[in-house]
Amino acid sequence: SQTIHQWPATLVQPVGSPLSLECTVEGTSNPNLYWYRQAAGRGLQLLFYSVGIGQISSEVPQNLSASRPQDRQFILSSKKLLLSDSGFYLCASSRQILTYGYTFGSGTRLTVV
Amino acid sequence: AQSVTQLDSQVPVFEEAPVELRCNYSSSVSVYLFWYVQYPNQGLQLLLKYLSGSTLVKGINGFEAEFNKSQTSFHLRKPSVHISDTAEYFCAVSDEDGGSNYKLTFGKGTLLTVNP
Repeated sequence: SQTIHQWPATLVQPVGSPLSLECTVEGTSNPNLYWYRQAAGRGLQLLFYSVGIGQISSEVPQNLSASRPQDRQFILSSKKLLLSDSGFYLCASSRQILTYGYTFGSGTRLTVV
Repeated sequence: AQSVTQLDSQVPVFEEAPVELRCNYSSSVSVYLFWYVQYPNQGLQLLLKYLSGSTLVKGINGFEAEFNKSQTSFHLRKPSVHISDTAEYFCAVSDEDGGSNYKLTFGKGTLLTVNP
């Protein structure tokens, strides 16, 4: 079965600072990878997804970017954080989504101050 | 594009009472539906899914859901809840993005609070 590692678990960053959140997947190869943001009362918003190395699709225009340098590594970045970037960030992986759905990481709580 | 509406943002119930969390979806094609549970400060865990076949789907922790195509609904039920069921519950629908690459579209979630 798949396991997703996300770190850090919590992060407090000042406005204007850079960001790098990392997600790695174990137990599968060539997964689809996703970054979601969860803000209070707004559910889960899909930010980026990737179907392979170097292939990134952005769902919403924003201050963030994503990269997939290796098959099982997915990175969420920002050059300059905004207050509105605060939230709970979740990485997810899917392989045969109709059979297994998504597997989620445990998330990163980002607070921009 | 698919969309999901969870009609109740919060549902408070007493322990051992039955509960129903409502979910409606919009789609013009065949759908695949999921329910996930999220405990505080954790990721999401799959409760159950509907792909095809029997419209009554049983999942983990005693939950079940019924797919109703005519009402475009996929409500989640449990006949008797426990304190430990307190969590946020998300309904999700698949969204094919060409080939076999699927994305899930989530509802905004329902916070279930079970009181003693």
